[in-house]
Amino acid sequence: AQKVTQAQTEISVVEKEDVTLDCVYETRDTTYYLFWYKQPPSGELVFLIRRNSFDEQNEISGRYSWNFQKSTSSFNFTITASQVVDSAVYFCALSEPDSGTYKYIFGTGTRLKVLA
Amino acid sequence: DAGVIQSPRHEVTEMGQEVTLRCKPISGHNSLFWYRQTMMRGLELLIYFNNNVPIDDSGMPEDRFSAKMPNASFSTLKIQPSEPRDSAVYFCASRVAGGITDTQYFGPGTRLTVL
Repeated sequence: AQKVTQAQTEISVVEKEDVTLDCVYETRDTTYYLFWYKQPPSGELVFLIRRNSFDEQNEISGRYSWNFQKSTSSFNFTITASQVVDSAVYFCALSEPDSGTYKYIFGTGTRLKVLA
Repeated sequence: DAGVIQSPRHEVTEMGQEVTLRCKPISGHNSLFWYRQTMMRGLELLIYFNNNVPIDDSGMPEDRFSAKMPNASFSTLKIQPSEPRDSAVYFCASRVAGGITDTQYFGPGTRLTVL
């Protein structure tokens, strides 16, 4: 069955440290999409990135980078030189478009606290 | 471009009252999702629509909850009667299906407090 595991419930780092948020997924489909969303203290859910199963290239966007590895079923998110504004809950999600459902399977989230 | 719009942003009501939450999806999106988020249960999918048709309402907690999508630009989630355990943040999300744009975009949420 499909599943997304974010084993880190909460992480605290000091500003300027690098931090990696882990995401492990389970799926039987060969076509699937993976996502990361950010939920800052203000509460909204902000889309960060979408990756499809056929594209294992790592993605970098400013201080953010994502490492997608099918061999380990992981889609990890790294923030380089963290800042206080990065403090948020981060959710990883999975969708399986060939299953005929439009649902996303969300992980339970990782709360990141960046201390000044 | 306008994102997903939800109203009200905050709602405080008393137990037993009817509550209606509203959502306007992003123009051109053909799927709409209602989620509920609580500390205890995390983010839960309640129901979703595709082309205005309810596809899966298995997440709706009980008959007190109902959702409609009368047209492509509007959806409501109604709770009648409301109970304190319904207190949560309710999110609406929309999506255009298919290909590289297959992504759900969330509204700002409605924080519901039932006293």
